[in-house]
Amino acid sequence: DQQVKQNSPSLSVQEGRISILNCDYTNSMFDYFLWYKKYPAEGPTFLISISSIKDKNEDGRFTVFLNKSAKHLSLHIVPSQPGDSAVYFCAASVRRGSNYKLTFGKGTLLTVNP
Amino acid sequence: GAGVSQTPSNKVTEKGKYVELRCDPISGHTALYWYRQSLGQGPEFLIYFQGTGAADDSGLPNDRFFAVRPEGSVSTLKIQRTERGDSAVYLCASSLSREETQYFGPGTRLLVL
Repeated sequence: DQQVKQNSPSLSVQEGRISILNCDYTNSMFDYFLWYKKYPAEGPTFLISISSIKDKNEDGRFTVFLNKSAKHLSLHIVPSQPGDSAVYFCAASVRRGSNYKLTFGKGTLLTVNP
Repeated sequence: GAGVSQTPSNKVTEKGKYVELRCDPISGHTALYWYRQSLGQGPEFLIYFQGTGAADDSGLPNDRFFAVRPEGSVSTLKIQRTERGDSAVYLCASSLSREETQYFGPGTRLLVL
């Protein structure tokens, strides 16, 4: 039973446009969410995170939105650049009660075309 | 500074053999995690160390898998009697403390023939 779901295996966008990656979760205990980016043959690299007490967090070109009622979060990248082409993983954890381990989705392959 | 390092980067072994995978966390990071990523899947939690002790090993699939961190720094994941289904990328991550961001190493690609 997948607790974190990324329903789009892949996404292709043009350079300069917005990329929107989506993630849904089923466990209402999750209170901390993260996005990781992964290039081939490398480990996941932390990108941005958001606590459940917020609905938006922004860092440069990257913004994460959290909709707790819908159990949905999204990552917006604007403007998209060819170097953003990678697999993006959504992850969640339960920090209340000190459950620190990350539960990941299957990932979305983003391709940004020049 | 140096990131998380893992050795070997690739390991090919035969079914039934024993393997050890090593993780060097970021200096000063007290929390260390092992994850396993199978083809087409996201990383799945295996075990978490806080210092020298395994605080949570609930993700280890069976008793063929074992991990140690004897001095609270380097960790070794040990797999006995390997099976073809153990083939995956084994990822190690560390964080300053359990509440902080986890930083991942490049992984060890294990192939069991």
